[in-house]
Amino acid sequence: KQEVTQIPAALSVPEGENLVLNCSFTDSAIYNLQWFRQDPGKGLTSLLLIQSSQREQTSGRLNASLDKSSGRSTLYIAASQPGDSATYLCAVTSNTGKLIFGQGTTLQVKP
Amino acid sequence: GAGVSQTPSNKVTEKGKYVELRCDPISGHTALYWYRQSLGQGPEFLIYFQGTGAADDSGLPNDRFFAVRPEGSVSTLKIQRTERGDSAVYLCASSLAGKDGYTFGSGTRLTVV
Repeated sequence: KQEVTQIPAALSVPEGENLVLNCSFTDSAIYNLQWFRQDPGKGLTSLLLIQSSQREQTSGRLNASLDKSSGRSTLYIAASQPGDSATYLCAVTSNTGKLIFGQGTTLQVKP
Repeated sequence: GAGVSQTPSNKVTEKGKYVELRCDPISGHTALYWYRQSLGQGPEFLIYFQGTGAADDSGLPNDRFFAVRPEGSVSTLKIQRTERGDSAVYLCASSLAGKDGYTFGSGTRLTVV
């Protein structure tokens, strides 16, 4: 059974810092991995998707890496801003299409 | 529609009652997913449809939970004999063919009193 773990559960940083969020998964037979953002009381927004054959994806200040063999992914946020405050969720898609989420990391960026 | 629509946005029900939660996916999306999210937790997988059939229902917690998608579009999650532990936000997502391109709805907040 696939299990997805995110560390840390919560993180508070001053504005401008670079930061790394971690995700690990137990079954390396994945189709892809995604990072989502969730704002309080809202649905989920997809940030980055990494196919199983890829090593990383970048979008603006965000960079996500994938090491499938070790079951790890990181989300790097450069020059953090207060608007980045949200919960970040890592999710893996199995080869059968099932999407499994981690528990999330709640980020607070202080002005 | 332009996005995934979930109704109602909020539902308060008494313990033991039956509830139905509705999800309208993006038109043409064949894959539809239901998740349950408790406060401070990530979304917990419940069931995934490809077209009209349930491709994977391994996340349904017990036989009080049931979901249908009779015409391959709108889906209804049905909960019988609700319990206080069923209180959560129920999220729906759709995807054109599954495996990527997911769009999530804003969820239905279910409170069982």
